Amino acid sequence: GAGVSQSPSNKVTEKGKDVELRCDPISGHTALYWYRQRLGQGLEFLIYFQGNSAPDKSGLPSDRFSAERTGESVSTLTIQRTQQEDSAVYLCASSMEGTGYTFGSGTRLTVV
Amino acid sequence: GEDVEQSLFLSVREGDSSVINCTYTDSSSTYLYWYKQEPGAGLQLLTYIFSNMDMKQDQRLTVLLNKKDKHLSLRIADTQTGDSAIYFCAETHSSASKIIFGSGTRLSIRP
Repeated sequence: GAGVSQSPSNKVTEKGKDVELRCDPISGHTALYWYRQRLGQGLEFLIYFQGNSAPDKSGLPSDRFSAERTGESVSTLTIQRTQQEDSAVYLCASSMEGTGYTFGSGTRLTVV
Repeated sequence: GEDVEQSLFLSVREGDSSVINCTYTDSSSTYLYWYKQEPGAGLQLLTYIFSNMDMKQDQRLTVLLNKKDKHLSLRIADTQTGDSAIYFCAETHSSASKIIFGSGTRLSIRP
């Protein structure tokens, strides 16, 4: 597609359940990033994929968080045993060397 | 470590110029960005500047970079109500590295 697509746009889940968030990057973009934005706060880096290299997972806040990417296509961010502090907007972005970053509209996750 | 700081709020009168300031700590930053986030929307890249530049102008937007002081600013001329948003300053080492963001500056426009 023309932009970065994220789904679902909104997700409400019960505390303790697992959730899976999806990101479809722009075709041909080799790099993919996940960020988290809590209400009223800035962007927090979570994980970065670049081609076939090992991902940079340095921003994942706990072992409940994991992400996968198949080649240079779709990525999923999984949060296990969700907690209320996981409530945030999860933003995905993609880029290609020499271009800027394009962000999706995000998934708003609410843990109740 | 890497850090990017911005003031949280800015209020300007419609038609005036807005200046949003940002400081960063990483002297090896190569690319510096300004992103705009409107309510309920994702991030939109407004403009970016390479660290070997001092200034970049794009229509109503002017970016100034003082590399010695690690200070970046975004000037919006003739501010309009549609400019109301949160503006994020960000930096990175290369165009394929993770971006470090500031906390964002909420720009509000008063009549």
